[in-house]
Amino acid sequence: DIQMTQSPSSVSASVGDRVTITCRASQGIRSFLAWYQQRPGKAPRLLIYTASSLQGGVPSRFSGSGSGTEFTLTISSLQPEDFATYYCQQANSFPLTFGGGTKVEIK
Amino acid sequence: EVQLVESGGGLVQPGGSLRLSCAASGFTFSSSEMNWVRQDPGKGLEWLSYIGSSATSLAYADSVKGRFTISRDNAKNSLYLQMNSLRAEDTAVYYCARYSGTYGLHDYWGQGTLVTVSS
Repeated sequence: DIQMTQSPSSVSASVGDRVTITCRASQGIRSFLAWYQQRPGKAPRLLIYTASSLQGGVPSRFSGSGSGTEFTLTISSLQPEDFATYYCQQANSFPLTFGGGTKVEIK
Repeated sequence: EVQLVESGGGLVQPGGSLRLSCAASGFTFSSSEMNWVRQDPGKGLEWLSYIGSSATSLAYADSVKGRFTISRDNAKNSLYLQMNSLRAEDTAVYYCARYSGTYGLHDYWGQGTLVTVSS
C-alpha cells in the first residue's frame, strides 16, 4: 500500500498568512493526488485534483503543486473560513490512501 | 443539485451486521463510480470500498475484505454497504462519495452516517 505522510500535523496561523502543507507518498504516484478541506462536523470538500487542478468554485488562493512523491498545498492568504483540517489522497492505485491530516488553527 | 444521503447507521453489537444505504440525486448515478470512506471520530479518513458504474469492478480495503460488501442499484439510484462481523474498530462515520477514477478524485460526499459497534 502507498503511505501518505502529511506535514505538519497542525499549524497555527493568522488571517492573511501564507500557509503551505506538504504531502509525501511512499512511492511515486505521478500526479494522482487530491486535496480536501474538512470543517468540524462536515464532510470533506474537494479543493485540488491531479495535484494542481483547482476544483470548480474553490477560491484561487488555494493552489497545489508537485508530482511523483512530493506535493504541496498552498493557501496564499488565509481567510477565516479556511481554518479547518486538510487531507491529501492518492489515487495512483488501490487501496486509495489518505494522509493523516493537517489542522490549520487560529494563532 | 447533487445530493448523496446516507442512512442505516446506528448502534450494533460486536459480531452484528448493518446495511448502509446512500441515495443519490442530481447527477447520472448509473454512469458514476462510487466509494465508501469512513472516519474514526476525531481521526483521519479511510477508504473502504469501490464500485464501478456497472458494478462489474469492485475493490476493498484489507481491513474490511471478506466482511463488507459493496453493491448498487442503478434503477433506484442507490449505493449500499453490507457490513457483517462488525468489530469495535469499525466504529466511525461512514461516507459515500462519487469518485472519478480518471482524475482520482471524490467530488461529492454525503453527510455521513455514524456506526457505533459496542456491547
